[in-house]
Amino acid sequence: SQQGEEDPQALSIQEGENATMNCSYKTSINNLQWYRQNSGRGLVHLILIRSNEREKHSGRLRVTLDTSKKSSSLLITASRAADTASYFCATDGGNTGKLIFGQGTTLQVKP
Amino acid sequence: KAGVTQTPRYLIKTRGQQVTLSCSPISGHRSVSWYQQTPGQGLQFLFEYFSETQRNKGNFPGRFSGRQFSNSRSEMNVSTLELGDSALYLCASSSFLPDEQYFGPGTRLTVT
Repeated sequence: SQQGEEDPQALSIQEGENATMNCSYKTSINNLQWYRQNSGRGLVHLILIRSNEREKHSGRLRVTLDTSKKSSSLLITASRAADTASYFCATDGGNTGKLIFGQGTTLQVKP
Repeated sequence: KAGVTQTPRYLIKTRGQQVTLSCSPISGHRSVSWYQQTPGQGLQFLFEYFSETQRNKGNFPGRFSGRQFSNSRSEMNVSTLELGDSALYLCASSSFLPDEQYFGPGTRLTVT
């Protein structure tokens, strides 16, 4: 089964609003990453947060990590229509050497 | 720097046939991972190669195999294709550990 589970599965907001998506995972990790996928194309790496970090920012993205709850959240501020995509969290599952993806959150940003 | 390239981009095969997909990583990257993406199962890890050696393997049947060449280019092969093998196959490269991975555009395989 997938390591990560994401919530919500789908999210629809207006341009300019903030979008928050959550990810939960099951085992210990070294890091957690977020990726974006546009319409069945390749994934684009957004941000990586290590297990000893609690929060990380990159432009309009803010990621938090709570290892005690085995959960992470991705916040996209001031969303744009171009942010419309599927967003996936991925964990390294400790030292497994592979990425384990969640099912993803489909975000629609309406202009 | 050129990104990860995958060929072909689209492929239609018949059940029972075999298929080979190719992936060229970013120059200097030695780790190549393969993933299968389907609507039902999502993104699933197939295997990872580093310096021509399979370093990690997912839970796929032996019909799925791969290899990596000395120039880090990788191929994956699926034999005796089944309808359920229809998927988007994604290749990703990274410099050493599969931390931050750079994905190719994928190969869309349709099995009829």
